[in-house]
Amino acid sequence: DQQVKQNSPSLSVQEGRISILNCDYTNSMFDYFLWYKKYPAEGPTFLISISSIKDKNEDGRFTVFLNKSAKHLSLHIVPSQPGDSAVYFCAARVKSSGDKLTFGTGTRLAVRP
Amino acid sequence: DAGITQSPRHKVTETGTPVTLRCHQTENHRYMYWYRQDPGHGLRLIHYSYGVKDTDKGEVSDGYSVSRSKTEDFLLTLESATSSQTSVYFCAIRSGVNEKLFFGSGTQLSVL
Repeated sequence: DQQVKQNSPSLSVQEGRISILNCDYTNSMFDYFLWYKKYPAEGPTFLISISSIKDKNEDGRFTVFLNKSAKHLSLHIVPSQPGDSAVYFCAARVKSSGDKLTFGTGTRLAVRP
Repeated sequence: DAGITQSPRHKVTETGTPVTLRCHQTENHRYMYWYRQDPGHGLRLIHYSYGVKDTDKGEVSDGYSVSRSKTEDFLLTLESATSSQTSVYFCAIRSGVNEKLFFGSGTQLSVL
């Protein structure tokens, strides 16, 4: 049972435009959400996070939106740059779970010059 | 890189052989994790540790064991490797506030 779902395996956008990556979850006990970025042959790196008590968090070009009623979060990248081309994973945590993260299947973003 | 080193970086082995992957950290973090990454599955937790000799199972622990005899080292063992364990294995540590995980560079394991 996939509790965190990224239904788009890939996304292609033009440089300078907005990239929107989506993530849906089923477990209402998730209280903290994170986005990770992964380049080939490297480990995932933390990008941005949001607590369930918020609906938006912004860090430079990256903004994460959380819609708890829809159990949906999204990552917006504006403007997109070729260096943003990577696989993006969303992850979620249940506070009482021993701090374990549950990851989605990932979305591969390609930013075209 | 949060001082995480995984070894080996690449390994090819045969079905039925034992394999041990090592994760070494230099910053005295209490929590350490082993994940595997597979196409269509994302990252899945195998085992984790919350201190020396304190470990617990993740969602895909069958066929794997772990040991943590020192704070800095977390070992993942495949007692008898199978082809389904061909994967990229990532070690992670939890650092500080808000449960961010920092990952190592990964070990590509191929079981033939």
